Amino acid sequence: GAVVSQHPSWVICKSGTSVKIECRSLDFQATTMFWYRQFPKQSLMLMATSNEGSKATYEQGVEKDKFLINHASLTLSTLTVTSAHPEDSSFYICSAPRQGRNYGYTFGSGTRLTVV
Amino acid sequence: DQQVKQNSPSLSVQEGRISILNCDYTNSMFDYFLWYKKYPAEGPTFLISISSIKDKNEDGRFTVFLNKSAKHLSLHIVPSQPGDSAVYFCAASGTSYGKLTFGQGTILTVHP
Repeated sequence: GAVVSQHPSWVICKSGTSVKIECRSLDFQATTMFWYRQFPKQSLMLMATSNEGSKATYEQGVEKDKFLINHASLTLSTLTVTSAHPEDSSFYICSAPRQGRNYGYTFGSGTRLTVV
Repeated sequence: DQQVKQNSPSLSVQEGRISILNCDYTNSMFDYFLWYKKYPAEGPTFLISISSIKDKNEDGRFTVFLNKSAKHLSLHIVPSQPGDSAVYFCAASGTSYGKLTFGQGTILTVHP
């Protein structure tokens, strides 16, 4: 149980276009979803926290108008990278609180975004 | 300011032996600690967690130790297997199901 499905797994887009990444909780309700990005050989950095039915909370230095987050239902959260530029190329991962006997979080499989 | 640090970028271990991965933190408000295993271009896979009220948690081959006074935690894998080769991240949270702060990761290589 506690599966988070993330799509697409990879995407290549042109500069100036927008890309939407979806994360769905398949067998549980995710009232909160965390969005991370990871640059090559670096750690995962939290970008924002989305909560179902309310505005997302962004970490310092993350442009909310560039990285639009929507959490319209208890099973779906989306991240839209607007007007993408090459420096936005990264690995984006979502995460939701994990169900089960051990405290933790379930992560999506990640999305490799390449902006050309 | 790196609040969670994994000072060893890599670790090499022989199959069957113990792997010990270390993690230090600076924020005394952290109450929950987790270890994740990650392969390139994949999401992290949860391994084990521990809350600050405990000093040890065990799950199969994985044991996490927490030393609050030293602000240090470690992950022991016994016995190590080649399939354990991956990047291991420790992470910490200040509240129950709050946001996670990750360390830089340690590349574990288990040789047959």
